[in-house]
Amino acid sequence: GNSVTQMEGPVTLSEEAFLTINCTYTATGYPSLFWYVQYPGEGLQLLLKATKADDKGSNKGFEATYRKETTSFHLEKGSVQVSDSAVYFCARDNYGQNFVFGPGTRLSVLP
Amino acid sequence: ETGVTQSPTHLIKTRGQQVTLRCSSQSGHNTVSWYQQALGQGPQFIFQYYREEENGRGNFPPRFSGLQFPNYSSELNVNALELDDSALYLCASSQDWSSYEQYFGPGTRLTVT
Repeated sequence: GNSVTQMEGPVTLSEEAFLTINCTYTATGYPSLFWYVQYPGEGLQLLLKATKADDKGSNKGFEATYRKETTSFHLEKGSVQVSDSAVYFCARDNYGQNFVFGPGTRLSVLP
Repeated sequence: ETGVTQSPTHLIKTRGQQVTLRCSSQSGHNTVSWYQQALGQGPQFIFQYYREEENGRGNFPPRFSGLQFPNYSSELNVNALELDDSALYLCASSQDWSSYEQYFGPGTRLTVT
């Protein structure tokens, strides 16, 4: 089927720690992949995207590389800040029409 | 700030009632998609409207319906509300139905009692 799986949260880190949130997908073909972030009380914001294999999306210190061979799009950041506390959603496009989202991973960064 | 607004912010309804949620898209965006986000879950695609016509639908029953208007506003209507309809409802607008750039509104939190 067409689905997105993420590591379960919550993830709790200290400020300046390294972050990895795993994401894998199933699809027929090669979808575009996305990471969205949802801050408390807000809607979804696009964090980064990659549209083809081996592409690396990056924004605000976050990175994710489209790995076709492992069908993965893991999110990483070298040094998290308290302001990064939010829920992160991995998503893939559904043949350009809409998105299939993972269940989300809640990140809490402690000072 | 995405330029997409939704109203109301919060809403409480009783089982069996009907509800209308509203979304105002970015100017020039002729596509709007609606998603349901249950507590602790990722958003689930309800349907998409492109130039005022339904352009795709997720796994939701017919009591979920929508409208899109020429002034870039749209509505999500839900009839015969059930307790499981309690969720955050998100709309997302894009310039075209095939665009990857979808801009989400802040959502409407619906509680059904």
